[in-house]
Amino acid sequence: SQKIEQNSEALNIQEGKTATLTCNYTNYSPAYLQWYRQDPGRGPVFLLLIRENEKEKRKERLKVTFDTTLKQSLFHITASQPADSATYLCALMNRDDKIIFGKGTRLHILP
Amino acid sequence: DTEVTQTPKHLVMGMTNKKSLKCEQHMGHRAMYWYKQKAKKPPELMFVYSYEKLSINESVPSRFSPECPNSSLLNLHLHALQPEDSALYLCASSQDRWGPYGYTFGSGTRLTVV
Repeated sequence: SQKIEQNSEALNIQEGKTATLTCNYTNYSPAYLQWYRQDPGRGPVFLLLIRENEKEKRKERLKVTFDTTLKQSLFHITASQPADSATYLCALMNRDDKIIFGKGTRLHILP
Repeated sequence: DTEVTQTPKHLVMGMTNKKSLKCEQHMGHRAMYWYKQKAKKPPELMFVYSYEKLSINESVPSRFSPECPNSSLLNLHLHALQPEDSALYLCASSQDRWGPYGYTFGSGTRLTVV
């Protein structure tokens, strides 16, 4: 069955360091991979989208990599700040429009 | 306007009640979605409207009934819900159903069924 795994349920990172979150998938051929941020009791906020033929995408302090051979995406936040604390969801969409979300990783940036 | 607006923000309803959730966007997006999210779980797709045509997640019970009056509005009609239906209900939109487009989510309706 199709499966998405995000590396850990929670991750603590010291302020100023780079936070790296992992999204692995099996039995799926995504055309696109997306990353969202979700704060408690709020809807997810779209951050970045990367296509299957792209290796890397950047937006300000955010960087996403996509390795279709390893079936893995890495999401990096550089110079992390306490305001970056949130749950981060990865989502995969295949060519049939089916989208599935990972369970998310709760990121805590410690001051 | 770059937002998806959902009302109400909170709703408490009894198992015999009928209520509706509302969602609105004015970004010209042609696809709109209803998602259900339980605590510490990922969003689960319930319904998709694309160009005002409905696609259903077959596992969604019939006590949930979507309606799309026009391309900017999406409703979710609720009837005879169960306590396990208590969750955060999220509306989202995207430029198109197919293609490399991120979703814009609303803030959600926190539904409690008593």
